[in-house]
Amino acid sequence: NAGVTQTPKFQVLKTGQSMTLQCAQDMNHNSMYWYRQDPGMGLRLIYYSASEGTTDKGEVPNGYNVSRLNKREFSLRLESAAPSQTSVYFCASSEFRSLLNTEAFFGQGTRLTVV
Amino acid sequence: AQSVTQLGSHVSVSEGALVLLRCNYSSSVPPYLFWYVQYPNQGLQLLLKYTSAATLVKGINGFEAEFKKSETSFHLTKPSAHMSDAAEYFCAVSANSNYQLIWGAGTKLIIKP
Repeated sequence: NAGVTQTPKFQVLKTGQSMTLQCAQDMNHNSMYWYRQDPGMGLRLIYYSASEGTTDKGEVPNGYNVSRLNKREFSLRLESAAPSQTSVYFCASSEFRSLLNTEAFFGQGTRLTVV
Repeated sequence: AQSVTQLGSHVSVSEGALVLLRCNYSSSVPPYLFWYVQYPNQGLQLLLKYTSAATLVKGINGFEAEFKKSETSFHLTKPSAHMSDAAEYFCAVSANSNYQLIWGAGTKLIIKP
């Protein structure tokens, strides 16, 4: 059982380049999330999708776009990468929208460096 | 607004010693509190959670945490550290809206042989 799969695991971009981080889950979960993790800071929510067909901004959405392609897949796009977007990105999923009542399952993360 | 503070970005203990990872929170409403663990090269996974039932919560792998309202704390403990406990531990508190979580910065637990 793969759980939550993120690709790629590592990526180096030049400032201004674009890229899409892919995320897929095989647990038939309704809700999916994108977080970033920076040194000395907790996880910060970028965007989430409470259910297929819906997306909402989180705490730090600027510079990012998302697509909930279907129930399994939730991608994160950087249109014009900036050094401030250097971070570790985590995708997560949960059965229901509320993380108070359900467990979030995380991918292994994507380590992105923008030079 | 809710917030979480984890004291110590790194904690080092000897194998067999007590593990204590500190988490303090602020919340304007009764909180839900969580500990997640990230083993090397893996995603985060739920260790335990407090949802206003028993104040002492038991989790996986022998870990437990006690909710202390008067101290606004939710410290994580394990009586005897094992080499396999080496990981990064994250404390989180429920946010006021959107049913999301506010995360602490994480504490890396190092186990010395």
